Amino acid sequence: DTEVTQTPKHLVMGMTNKKSLKCEQHMGHRAMYWYKQKAKKPPELMFVYSYEKLSINESVPSRFSPECPNSSLLNLHLHALQPEDSALYLCASSQDLYRGVREQYFGPGTRLTVT
Amino acid sequence: AQTVTQSQPEMSVQEAETVTLSCTYDTSESDYYLFWYKQPPSRQMILVIRQEAYKQQNATENRFSVNFQKAAKSFSLKISDSQLGDAAMYFCASGEGGSNYKLTFGKGTLLTVNP
Repeated sequence: DTEVTQTPKHLVMGMTNKKSLKCEQHMGHRAMYWYKQKAKKPPELMFVYSYEKLSINESVPSRFSPECPNSSLLNLHLHALQPEDSALYLCASSQDLYRGVREQYFGPGTRLTVT
Repeated sequence: AQTVTQSQPEMSVQEAETVTLSCTYDTSESDYYLFWYKQPPSRQMILVIRQEAYKQQNATENRFSVNFQKAAKSFSLKISDSQLGDAAMYFCASGEGGSNYKLTFGKGTLLTVNP
């Protein structure tokens, strides 16, 4: 089962709100990723977790806070976002960050609108 | 640093015909992977095909095949017998081996399939 799920599908939040995005995979993958994607643009990497530890932070503002509670779950906590943060947020997973063919499997994304 | 270039922002093809999407990349690594991803409008990004750099044989997945020219750093995608469901944004991506593995995406090619 090559499936990555994300909730919610859509989210509208004000600039003072706190919300969380959730991602789950049951493929036994040990690497998980958060991307931000603007319309008709490629995904931009935000964070990478490997074996539940943060491996890469692409200089993302602190109003985005990732969390990996276990090997199957990845959260992205949002606080005090700006309208320019409105985008599609994609979660992805791959078998391993360091070994093997590292193709990434993507979830359907959360469409975030910041008002 | 890796770079991936897709020189065709948009392409169109008639249903049942063949189309080739271009991709060039640049990397200093000998261990790397190449991918084509498909993202239909408002839908999930899915992996179409992958190629390991050390393999000389071109990858094939049903109607999708690649022309991997390692010396020229070229990785084009051929779609045969195009179907309406092939209409999507196609992203070429490269991933280098190593401890900080991540994907670098091209800007994408928007493919339209005409009935």
